[in-house]
Amino acid sequence: DIQMTQSPSSVSASVGDRVTITCRASQGINNYLVWFQQKPGKAPKSLIYGASSLQSGVPSKFSGSGSGTDFTLTISSLQPEDFATYYCQQYNSYPLTFGGGTKVEIK
Amino acid sequence: EVQLVESGGGLVQPGGSLRLSCAVSGFTFSDHYMDWVRQAPGKGLEWLGRSRDKANSYTTEYAASVKGRFTVSRDDSKNLLYLQMNSLKTEDTAMYYCARVVRADGHYFFGYWGQGTLVTVSS
Repeated sequence: DIQMTQSPSSVSASVGDRVTITCRASQGINNYLVWFQQKPGKAPKSLIYGASSLQSGVPSKFSGSGSGTDFTLTISSLQPEDFATYYCQQYNSYPLTFGGGTKVEIK
Repeated sequence: EVQLVESGGGLVQPGGSLRLSCAVSGFTFSDHYMDWVRQAPGKGLEWLGRSRDKANSYTTEYAASVKGRFTVSRDDSKNLLYLQMNSLKTEDTAMYYCARVVRADGHYFFGYWGQGTLVTVSS
């Protein structure tokens, strides 16, 4: 199975900050990676697919990069609605696997 | 508008069975891969299984943790996706989500999610 490791597990940031979250795959997954945002009590919402393609309707402050084993999600200017938990997930091979999540908290 | 609505969760004893349903609308159900994902309280996301579309003969895939105990099926005439869960364990306690796979530029990812249904396995 492909293990997905996210870091940090949590980050405290202020409104307006730039935040970067990393995701590392235990083996190469090409660019078959998606990023999700999840708010408390809600289902996840896809933000970025194909490692760097913005999902329809998602604001451009979210961006993704990477290929192979190392990936990043960047939020360019954190807003109050962005405080949430973010997950990466690989869909290169079965079983599909998620990272452990990164909680973005208000400083 | 795409909608996914799960139901069937509840309290069940260890060793028991439960069948979850996911009612879908707003798209042609038979044309899409459908998956189940769960989230234990306060924990991360875990993929459980997939039903491919009609064009791929509705073949299935499962996570090792549930293979042999859980079965994904669908009834296209009713626009329903199912998760039959047998031999339930306390560690199966979680919110269970159904998700529709979106295909874009050769990529297949979870583009739509239901609101989830809570399963509690306890004596």
